[in-house]
Amino acid sequence: QKEVEQNSGPLSVPEGAIASLNCTYSDRGSQSFFWYRQYSGKSPELIMFIYSNGDKEDGRFTAQLNKASQYVSLLIRDSQPSDSATYLCAVRPWGNTPLVFGKGTRLSVIA
Amino acid sequence: EPEVTQTPSHQVTQMGQEVILRCVPISNHLYFYWYRQILGQKVEFLVSFYNNEISEKSEIFDDQFSVERPDGSNFTLKIRSTKLEDSAMYFCASSGQGGEGTEAFFGQGTRLTVV
Repeated sequence: QKEVEQNSGPLSVPEGAIASLNCTYSDRGSQSFFWYRQYSGKSPELIMFIYSNGDKEDGRFTAQLNKASQYVSLLIRDSQPSDSATYLCAVRPWGNTPLVFGKGTRLSVIA
Repeated sequence: EPEVTQTPSHQVTQMGQEVILRCVPISNHLYFYWYRQILGQKVEFLVSFYNNEISEKSEIFDDQFSVERPDGSNFTLKIRSTKLEDSAMYFCASSGQGGEGTEAFFGQGTRLTVV
């Protein structure tokens, strides 16, 4: 059974701070890792994906992947109140196989 | 920017009725998926579709469910006899051809309420 684990939160950070969101996965052979943002009642919105060990930066967002530790993280720099949402970690075993989602971490950015 | 579109946005149906949820994937994508999310729970995979046939399905996708690509653009999910526990948000997603890092884009979802 492939599992993706996330701390459900809420994670509260002040505006302008760095938010750090973490995710672990059980299938060691997984190849692609995705972070989605989901506002209440809305669909998941892709933030970024990563498939190589190390860091990948896109604007205020940095994804970090450590396959040896089966660990993925998302850093959000200069957090804004509009970043308040649930962040979903999703793992794709290989190719175009279906995504396996974690339960999500609720982030609250306090102005 | 290309997007996945779903209709209707909200469907209320009586228990035991059939519903059809519709999706128009991104036009050059080849892989299509249905996921669902029960309120307060995680997004769960239902079924994937490639080359006009089901490529994978989960335990949730039982005989009450079916998928179809009736023409070159639409992708539908049918629930034959709805149950109360089918109430959820249903998301369609599509991916292009590719290997690692192939993105999966989601539609805005259909909120299904079974009463």
